Amino acid sequence: DIVMTQSPDSLAVSLGERATINCKSSQSVLYSSDNKNYLAWYQQKPGQPPKLLIYWASTRVSGVPDRFSGSGSGTDFTLTISSLQAEDVAVYYCQQYYGTLLTFGGGTKVEIK
Amino acid sequence: QLQLQESGPGLVKPSETLSLTCTVSGGSISSSSYYWGWIRQPPGKGLEWIGSIYYSGSTYYNPSLKSRVTISVDTSKNQFSLKLSSVTAADTALYYCARQGLAMIVMLIRPGAVDSWGQGTLVTVSS
Repeated sequence: DIVMTQSPDSLAVSLGERATINCKSSQSVLYSSDNKNYLAWYQQKPGQPPKLLIYWASTRVSGVPDRFSGSGSGTDFTLTISSLQAEDVAVYYCQQYYGTLLTFGGGTKVEIK
Repeated sequence: QLQLQESGPGLVKPSETLSLTCTVSGGSISSSSYYWGWIRQPPGKGLEWIGSIYYSGSTYYNPSLKSRVTISVDTSKNQFSLKLSSVTAADTALYYCARQGLAMIVMLIRPGAVDSWGQGTLVTVSS
């Protein structure tokens, strides 16, 4: 099984400042045949289902603000919110879909400082 | 606009079978471009993938639940369903149905990222 570990568990960032969330997989989720990282990022606001933000580690979903970006390869990944807005308060999850068992990270709660 | 709606009992007794149905509207469950999956979230906790099904009936399950889980698809009704047997309090959760993209590894088409979610339905296991 591929274990996804997110850090930190929570972070408080001032409005307009950068928020950085890390996700580490217990084995590589990079498939050499297509050079794609099988990793997605989701945002979950209170009382709502998660929303897909990024897939293939760095491809932003249409309509997602460009302040959200994903980076990394292999086992280490980052979700960056370049300028935190009030509406970005949420829990963020990474997920790998490389293995036959799909697994999520434990989540990172982002709050306003 | 794709919509997914979960339906089923909100309360299930211990040792019984949890049964949920997801009705898909605004899109065809027979599309070869997607898997259809179930994901759950215990109150206040993280996300756990339960399993996914392709329109052809091909399934992938979470090994930790595989002995108790059955996911099926009814293309005529544009629905797919979840059955989880021998439930305990640990199965109390918000259950989401979802649409997933595809991932192809070693020539096998597998479930990928979740691009659309239902609103979720809370299932409580209690006597």
